[in-house]
Formats: sequence, structure tokens, C-alpha cells
Amino acid sequence: DVQLVQSGAEVKKPGESLKISCEGSGYTFASYWIGWVRQMPGKGLEWMGFIYPGDSDTRYSPSFQGQVTISADKSRNTAYLQWSSLKASDTAIYYCARLPTGNWFDPWGQGTQVTVSS
Amino acid sequence: QSALTQPASVSGSPGQSITISCTGTSSDVGSYNLVSWYQQHPGKAPKLLIYEDSKWPSGVSNRFSGSKSGNTASLTISGLRAEDEADYYCCSYAGSSIFVFGGGTKLTVL
Repeated sequence: DVQLVQSGAEVKKPGESLKISCEGSGYTFASYWIGWVRQMPGKGLEWMGFIYPGDSDTRYSPSFQGQVTISADKSRNTAYLQWSSLKASDTAIYYCARLPTGNWFDPWGQGTQVTVSS
Repeated sequence: QSALTQPASVSGSPGQSITISCTGTSSDVGSYNLVSWYQQHPGKAPKLLIYEDSKWPSGVSNRFSGSKSGNTASLTISGLRAEDEADYYCCSYAGSSIFVFGGGTKLTVL
């Protein structure tokens, strides 16, 4: 089975850095785009960007460009989402998802809750 | 890129059919046959229901169907069941490696 498993919940203070992960299994990780999606408390889904682990080609939503960094390590079958300086407004659940042909999201990881509070 | 427009809520009784609309523009929904739909139960990750406007992924019930006309895509759920109560999101490719989601629709099964 194709599966994406994300790292656990994080509680951080404003200004701190953070890197969360998404490990794929059951398929050739390097050959499929992995996307990241934000869901703020009580709100809808927002596409953040995606990466092709095979060559680390990365695309960002204009809304998130410069705010986060997406990376991948194909030797570890893992994609990452990182922040250099968290803000309270980064509090959200972050999902990773595979893009089978680059145009829809399936499957999804279980989500990582990130809480930023002083 | 603005979010696609969905009704905030819809409701229906068990056994009935409901339709959720998803309105975009000629730059996204109207330009590509790449609308997908997702179901999200509370506290759970989204699940793919429909891709490429109207195609079913393996394992998804054919009670869920997708269609599109112009800049508006639609998801129809027939034979409503209690377990269909969830949030539903549309998503469209918008060119230049950009995706846009709808604001989500809460389905209540009465």
C-alpha cells in the first residue's frame, strides 16, 4: 500500500525554527511529486507547494514563497517542510500528499499539528 | 490566485441526492480538466473522491460523481448516508504549477 507517514505534533515559540517530515512507503518515492497543504484552525485547505524528490525540483504557491522551505531526501524516502522563524499565525495542521500524475493529491499523510505560542 | 467558491453548507436526508458546486474562473476550472474533490471527516486527513473532473479512484463509491460546465465544477452524492456527513473540498490546477482549493462545504445529513 502507498502510505505517507508524517512526524508528530510540535509546540514551538515564536521565532523558533522547525522542520517537519513526511516519509513515503510502498512506491518509488523519487518518482512522484509530494505536495504540502495547510489547514488553519477551523478553516479550509491551502496548497503550499510541491517537490519532485528525484531532482528536488520545487514549486511554491505565491502565498507561501519565501515563508517556508520544501525539501526532500530521496535516500530516506522523506520530504520536509521547514520554517526559519515561526509566527503564531503558522499554527495549523500541515498535510503532505502524493501527486500521482502531478495533478491531484492521493494519498494524504495523517497531518502534523504545529502550535506556535509564547 | 483566489480560492474557488463553494457553498458553506448543504444538507440532505438519507437516500436523497445533493450537489456541491465549485466555481472558479477561465484561468483555472474553465481551462483544465483537472478538478479534484476531497472528503474530510472531523479530525481526519482529506481523502480523494474524484480526479480529472469526473474520474473515480479505485475504492471510491460510484455514489460520488463529478461533472463540469464552463467555470463551475460539481460533486453529486446520491443515496445519502449518515457517514457522508463531512467537509468537502474542490481543487483545480490553475497553470504555472499552481493549485487552488475551494473554501470547503460542510455536508449535514439530516
